[in-house]
Amino acid sequence: EAGVAQSPRYKIIEKRQSVAFWCNPISGHATLYWYQQILGQGPKLLIQFQNNGVVDDSQLPKDRFSAERLKGVDSTLKIQPAKLEDSAVYLCASSFTKQDTQYFGPGTRLTVL
Amino acid sequence: AQSVTQPDIHITVSEGASLELRCNYSYGATPYLFWYVQSPGQGLQLLLKYFSGDTLVQGIKGFEAEFKRSQSSFNLRKPSVHWSDAAEYFCAVGAGGGATNKLIFGTGTLLAVQP
Repeated sequence: EAGVAQSPRYKIIEKRQSVAFWCNPISGHATLYWYQQILGQGPKLLIQFQNNGVVDDSQLPKDRFSAERLKGVDSTLKIQPAKLEDSAVYLCASSFTKQDTQYFGPGTRLTVL
Repeated sequence: AQSVTQPDIHITVSEGASLELRCNYSYGATPYLFWYVQSPGQGLQLLLKYFSGDTLVQGIKGFEAEFKRSQSSFNLRKPSVHWSDAAEYFCAVGAGGGATNKLIFGTGTLLAVQP
C-alpha cells in the first residue's frame, strides 16, 4: 500500500512570496490533516478535512494560509504572503476515518529568507 | 487545555542498554495516547497507541508503553536499544471523540545511541 505522498520535499522562498504544497493521501482515507512542525517543536495541527469539508481550522492563520481538498482526495496548502516565521516542515497525514490511526507523509521543508 | 510534556529534550544511551522516555499529559477525559518516531528526513511513524483496556501496550520494533492514570504518564520503554533506534520520539494525546481527533504533540525527545 502506498503511503502519503507530498511534494515538493524542499522549498526555499523569499518573504512575501507565495508557495503551495501538495498532498496525496492513502487511497480510501477520508480524513486528511495538515500539520506545521517548527524546528524544536512537535507538530501542530493547521487544518483537518473530512472528505472535502473542513472539520477544524481553528489554528490556521487564515489571513495568509489557505487549504483545499477538492473532490475529497488530494489537498493543497498555500501560504500567501510568506513570513520568516513560516519556516517549518509541513506534514500531511491521513486516516481511514477520523477515529483511526493517522499516517504521515515525509513532509515539505519550507525555508523563508 | 490539552497538553503533552516530554521533560527530556535529548537522551544518549549505549547500544544494548535499556531505554525509558518520559511523557506526561494533561487532558480532562480518558485520553487516546500515542508514541511516534521521526527519523531524519522521514515522516512520523506510529510506534504504539493506547485507547483503552490493558494499560501496558506493545508496539513495533520492540517498544512498549505503560499508561498510568494516577501519574498522567505514558512512558515509552525498550529493554535493549539498537543503533537504528536513534531518532526523535514524540508523544501525543488525541481527543478521541467528536468531530475532530487532532493530535496534540509534545516537543519531542532526541535519542542518540552510542556504540
